[in-house]
Parts: sequence; C-alpha cells; structure tokens
Amino acid sequence: KQEVTQIPAALSVPEGENLVLNCSFTDSAIYNLQWFRQDPGKGLTSLLLIQSSQREQTSGRLNASLDKSSGRSTLYIAASQPGDSATYLCAVETTRRQGGSEKLVFGKGTKLTVNP
Amino acid sequence: DTGVSQNPRHKITKRGQNVTFRCDPISEHNRLYWYRQTLGQGPEFLTYFQNEAQLEKSRLLSDRFSAERPKGSFSTLEIQRTEQGDSAMYLCASSRGTVNYEQYFGPGTRLTVT
Repeated sequence: KQEVTQIPAALSVPEGENLVLNCSFTDSAIYNLQWFRQDPGKGLTSLLLIQSSQREQTSGRLNASLDKSSGRSTLYIAASQPGDSATYLCAVETTRRQGGSEKLVFGKGTKLTVNP
Repeated sequence: DTGVSQNPRHKITKRGQNVTFRCDPISEHNRLYWYRQTLGQGPEFLTYFQNEAQLEKSRLLSDRFSAERPKGSFSTLEIQRTEQGDSAMYLCASSRGTVNYEQYFGPGTRLTVT
C-alpha cells in the first residue's frame, strides 16, 4: 500500500527566505507526482505535476524535483512571501488501468507560515 | 474554463438524516473524482467516474454512500443515515481522460453532522 509522508508538518520562516518542503513515498512505481496548495477551509490548487520520467518542474518561484528511485520529492520556494502561507500537499498517482489520471494518494501536508 | 464548482459549500445536518452534494466539473473534462478530507489529514480517495461510468470505489465508501454521474456531466454524492464520523470536507476534482493530466479541485463541501 502506497504511503506518502511530508516533513516537516509545519514550518515558519521570515519573509524572503528560500525554503524546501519534503515529500516521500513508499512505492517507487508511480506515474506522476503532483504538488498542491490549500488555503484554510478551501479546496486544492494544483501547483506542479511531475511525470515519472521527469526530474523536475518549475513554475515561477516554485521548483519541484523528483527522485523516483529513492521515493522522494522536494518543493523549493524561492524568496518566500506572506501570501505563500498555506498548507502544501503532495500526492502520487500509482495505478493506471483505464488510461488517464486515476486516484491520487496524498500526504498530510506541510503547513507553511511566512512572517512579514 | 470556469473551474470545478461544488454545492452547497457548507451543510449542517442531524445524525440520521440524508444529504446530497453536487459537483460540476470543468466542461471538457470527462473524469470526475470524489475525495474526503478530515481535519489535519490529506484528502482520501472515494470514487471516480469516466463519463457516466463509475470505474473505482474505495472501501471507505460504505453502503451508506452512493455517487452518480448520470449524463457524464455533473455528479452527486449522497450519504444516507449520516453519522458524526461523516463530518469532513468532501472534495470533487476533474481531469481530462489523458495520461499525466492534472486533477483540478473544487472548493469542497464542508459537512457537519450534529
């Protein structure tokens, strides 16, 4: 059974700092990994999707890397801002029997606070 | 692209009552997913559809839960005889039926069972 772990559970940093969020998964046979952002009481916003054949993806100040063999992914946030405060979730897709995206297995998330 | 919408956003019900939630996916997406999220946890998969066909159901989806997508567009999730343990955020997502395409999530329906 695939298990996804995110460390740390919470992180507080001053504005402007670069930071790294970690995600690990127990079964390396994944199709892709997706990072999401969730604001309190809200739904999830997709940030980046990394295919299993890729090593990294970038979007603006965000860079996500994937090391499938070791079961790890990192989300790097450059020059953090108070508006980045949210919970960041990673999720992996591990089954594909019908073609197309199937169920995602999520970690519990890292709650990030960026202090002005 | 108007995004995934869910209604209602909040629902408070008494134990034993039935509730129904609705999800409208992004119009060109033929896959639709339901997840449940409790406080401090990541979302857990419940079920998903390709068009009107329900392709997989989690064992979390007990007999009291039923989901439909009758015309391959919007979907409903019904919970019968609600229990306090059903209190959670119910999230809907949609995706194209192509590989390596992201799932896009709606704002969720927060259910409180008293």
